[in-house]
Amino acid sequence: ILNVEQSPQSLHVQEGDSTNFTCSFPSSNFYALHWYRWETAKSPEALFVMTLNGDEKKKGRISATLNTKEGYSYLYIKGSQPEDSATYLCALESGGSNYKLTFGKGTLLTVNP
Amino acid sequence: KAGVTQTPRYLIKTRGQQVTLSCSPISGHRSVSWYQQTPGQGLQFLFEYFSETQRNKGNFPGRFSGRQFSNSRSEMNVSTLELGDSALYLCASSLFAGGGVEQFFGPGTRLTVL
Repeated sequence: ILNVEQSPQSLHVQEGDSTNFTCSFPSSNFYALHWYRWETAKSPEALFVMTLNGDEKKKGRISATLNTKEGYSYLYIKGSQPEDSATYLCALESGGSNYKLTFGKGTLLTVNP
Repeated sequence: KAGVTQTPRYLIKTRGQQVTLSCSPISGHRSVSWYQQTPGQGLQFLFEYFSETQRNKGNFPGRFSGRQFSNSRSEMNVSTLELGDSALYLCASSLFAGGGVEQFFGPGTRLTVL
């Protein structure tokens, strides 16, 4: 059973603060790591798919890094805005005939104006 | 390009009944995955279909089943509903399965079992 852990479970920050979350996963048989943003009453929205050790991806104020050797990924948000409030999920992709995404329980971010 | 659609959005059933949920993937996408979310749990993988074949199934009882049609639309069925089946059921589609390809999620079906 794959264990994908996310920390912290929840986070409250003030508008303008920068913040980061962690996703930990087993480092063996790595295929890909997905990050999603899930706002209440909406569909989960894909942020990044990361496949290579050392990958760094950026979309606006959000960026992510990947370390497959030690089994972790960081998601960073620079200058948080209230509209960044959401649950951020990471998911480990299993390959081949066992293809599936195994999700962590997410980090709930609340940005106070 | 239309997104992933799921019907119905909300459903109320009683214990012992059965239910069928539907998912229409993004046009051209051939892989459809289903997930269950219950309070306190992350998204739990149910199954994945590719070209009408179930390729992988999660750790759920046999009451949970699904299928995929030639147009890639997918249905999942839960028989003999239990209270614990109350959850948000999400489907996701992707062009193909694997290789770091993005999965695009639908809005989900909220199932309540009374």
